[in-house]
Amino acid sequence: EAEVAQSPRYKITEKSQAVAFWCDPISGHATLYWYRQILGQGPELLVQFQDESVVDDSQLPKDRFSAERLKGVDSTLKIQPAELGDSAMYLCASSLSAGSYNSPLHFGNGTRLTVT
Amino acid sequence: RKEVEQDPGPFNVPEGATVAFNCTYSNSASQSFFWYRQDCRKEPKLLMSVYSSGNEDGRFTAQLNRASQYISLLIRDSKLSDSATYLCVVYDNYGQNFVFGPGTRLSVLP
Repeated sequence: EAEVAQSPRYKITEKSQAVAFWCDPISGHATLYWYRQILGQGPELLVQFQDESVVDDSQLPKDRFSAERLKGVDSTLKIQPAELGDSAMYLCASSLSAGSYNSPLHFGNGTRLTVT
Repeated sequence: RKEVEQDPGPFNVPEGATVAFNCTYSNSASQSFFWYRQDCRKEPKLLMSVYSSGNEDGRFTAQLNRASQYISLLIRDSKLSDSATYLCVVYDNYGQNFVFGPGTRLSVLP
């Protein structure tokens, strides 16, 4: 079964440093999502791409977070500078198209970020 | 009010028990509904989609009540391996994104 690839799996960084995450969705999936999940809570959307275009980044803290999907395939999420409160699991997901029963979300393994 | 709410949990049940989870959603225009399972410190994985007529997959049964805006998941004959957090997910047609509930944790005890 095709998978969403994410790296790194774990990242420890000091506050005020920059950190970047990478995601490669399932081939052919036009829609890509970045979620943040704090322990004990459900994932919360940070940014959604349709191909190379941002569809929704209303919950992305744009003063420190940025995301891009330049060629409409893989994507990077960057945090600069990192803060202690950014410690969380960062999940990338993709879907064939947006939201039908035939295209549910498929998640990558996630990146667990710890900011010290 | 949160868009998607779930039973707070945790649920601790013995092996073989039947357990039901409920989920309510606030957006009446939502069209697609899903249950995901998430093991501790792992990514969510699709358990099943929830169709209007209700659907069953082995020991798992999902039902949708559009009038009352709730979704349920029933697990029969619980196994130790069913221990996980179950996430209710609703697709918001207006915002065109998936909205997650906070999850309900299940522990199946020997």
